[in-house]
Amino acid sequence: DAGVTQSPTHLIKTRGQQVTLRCSPKSGHDTVSWYQQALGQGPQFIFQYYEEEERQRGNFPDRFSGHQFPNYSSELNVNALLLGDSALYLCASRHRDRSSYNEQFFGPGTRLTVL
Amino acid sequence: GDSVTQMEGPVTLSEEAFLTINCTYTATGYPSLFWYVQYPGEGLQLLLKATKADDKGSNKGFEATYRKETTSFHLEKGSVQVSDSAVYFCALGAVSGYSTLTFGKGTMLLVSP
Repeated sequence: DAGVTQSPTHLIKTRGQQVTLRCSPKSGHDTVSWYQQALGQGPQFIFQYYEEEERQRGNFPDRFSGHQFPNYSSELNVNALLLGDSALYLCASRHRDRSSYNEQFFGPGTRLTVL
Repeated sequence: GDSVTQMEGPVTLSEEAFLTINCTYTATGYPSLFWYVQYPGEGLQLLLKATKADDKGSNKGFEATYRKETTSFHLEKGSVQVSDSAVYFCALGAVSGYSTLTFGKGTMLLVSP
């Protein structure tokens, strides 16, 4: 059973550009969350998608947007990149069985560098 | 809002030493508590969890007990190995909302032979 997969692994962009990161959840998982992990910090919640809609959002500006597809995969888009957006972006998915409350499985992340 | 505070690292130990990483939290209600581990260059892996007060989570020799009275969830291991070297994150699961996680800043553990 494949785990949560993310692409690309690494990405280098310049200020002002736009970027799209992709995530495929584990089999049987229907909820996808995105987190930003700055260097030396813990992950911070960006937003969560369920049934193709953004269900909850953390304290991130509108430059951060997302999408979930019918197959439960998800994209994270960041517009007008700033140097401070450089981070590891983690995707996490959760099984559709709600008895495993709050247990999320993380992908390996996408390392974004903004120059 | 919810928050998690972990002891700062790095924690440097010799192999077979006893490990404690302190974690305290602030939250409304009774969240679920987690320890995640991140090995160099990798994403997060769930190490253990506890979903209610006095629960003890355990995995791979690591243990943590959910203490509501002290709002703590300290991670312990009786005898660490070099392979335990990693960054450890304490996290809490939202009581309200839909299973979002709030993380501490992480504690780096370095184990030498």
